[in-house]
Amino acid sequence: GQSLEQPSEVTAVEGAIVQINCTYQTSGFYGLSWYQQHDGGAPTFLSYNALDGLEETGRFSSFLSRSDSYGYLLLQELQMKDSASYFCAVGGSQGNLIFGKGTKLSVKP
Amino acid sequence: KAGVTQTPRYLIKTRGQQVTLSCSPISGHRSVSWYQQTPGQGLQFLFEYFSETQRNKGNFPGRFSGRQFSNSRSEMNVSTLELGDSALYLCASSLKTGELFFGEGSRLTVL
Repeated sequence: GQSLEQPSEVTAVEGAIVQINCTYQTSGFYGLSWYQQHDGGAPTFLSYNALDGLEETGRFSSFLSRSDSYGYLLLQELQMKDSASYFCAVGGSQGNLIFGKGTKLSVKP
Repeated sequence: KAGVTQTPRYLIKTRGQQVTLSCSPISGHRSVSWYQQTPGQGLQFLFEYFSETQRNKGNFPGRFSGRQFSNSRSEMNVSTLELGDSALYLCASSLKTGELFFGEGSRLTVL
């Protein structure tokens, strides 16, 4: 089966950098995805790492280490609008995604 | 390009009833998956369809079923509703591995 672990809550201040970690156990690894969900909204895709290393998209970066079954999402220059829940997800054996429980990020002024 | 459309957005049912939810994927996306989201359990995978075939199914009872039509539109059905079925049901379409595009969801309340 698959399982993912990520912190339940993280708090940071505007302008700071925050890292959200995700460890996973899965059979048949296809890649690690990250999603953002604001309260009352739908999850939106942020990034996907299929290979080891860092992927950067603007203020957000995502890292993967397949040997450690570990990844993280790095958010830089935090803004109030970044307050949301962040989910890591791994691909299942046939294309479905299994999601972690989510990390609620609160950005304080 | 239109996003994923789910109907209805909100619905209230009573225990024992059944419900059908509809999802129209992004044009060109042949993979459609369904998720149940609750505060306690997070996002849980229900099933995934590709070209009208169910490719995978999550760990839900047989009361939960779905189908996909030739135009890639999908429906899911929940029969004999229970209080615990109250949740946000999310549909997502996909073109690439790992990248899902979600609809706004159908919020089901079972009384």
